[in-house]
Amino acid sequence: EPEVTQTPSHQVTQMGQEVILRCVPISNHLYFYWYRQILGQKVEFLVSFYNNEISEKSEIFDDQFSVERPDGSNFTLKIRSTKLEDSAMYFCASSRGMGNEKLFFGSGTQLSVL
Amino acid sequence: AQKITQTQPGMFVQEKEAVTLDCTYDTSDQSYGLFWYKQPSSGEMIFLIYQGSYDEQNATEGRYSLNFQKARKSANLVISASQLGDSAMYFCAMRVDTGNQFYFGTGTSLTVIP
Repeated sequence: EPEVTQTPSHQVTQMGQEVILRCVPISNHLYFYWYRQILGQKVEFLVSFYNNEISEKSEIFDDQFSVERPDGSNFTLKIRSTKLEDSAMYFCASSRGMGNEKLFFGSGTQLSVL
Repeated sequence: AQKITQTQPGMFVQEKEAVTLDCTYDTSDQSYGLFWYKQPSSGEMIFLIYQGSYDEQNATEGRYSLNFQKARKSANLVISASQLGDSAMYFCAMRVDTGNQFYFGTGTSLTVIP
């Protein structure tokens, strides 16, 4: 079965540094998402992306965050100046369409901000 | 606003018994989908089952079934004949057709006892 690929699996960074989390969604999918999960708790929505632009974003997704789909296959999440509270598992996900189309998740990037 | 509530932070079940994980939702949209995901200790998010708001029959997928009670706005997951490998976090999620965001509950941690 096709899958969403995320790299790296683990990222350690110093507070204030920029990080880029990378994702390759499933090739025929049209909707892309970033979610995060702190310490196995609630899965929090960050942003959704469709037709080369952000379609929805949460309060968490402030000016420190940005997303990009630079080349038609990769989908990246950038955190400009990381804070301690950004430490979490970041999941990329994609969906073929709306309605009953399920969300396919990547295996996540565990971000640790020191 | 959309909301998913899972009131059982932790559940235990004997191997081979059935277990019901509760999920209630709140939305003013008439058209929506309800999803259940499993997250084992390895961290990946695995799709289990889907129920559409207009589906008249309860969804079933192998040992998983969804007890959909639209008037009560509940979408409980029933796992029959529990296996040790069912021990995991289970998340209920909803997507409304007027948006593309998936809303997740806080999850239920299921432990299957031999």
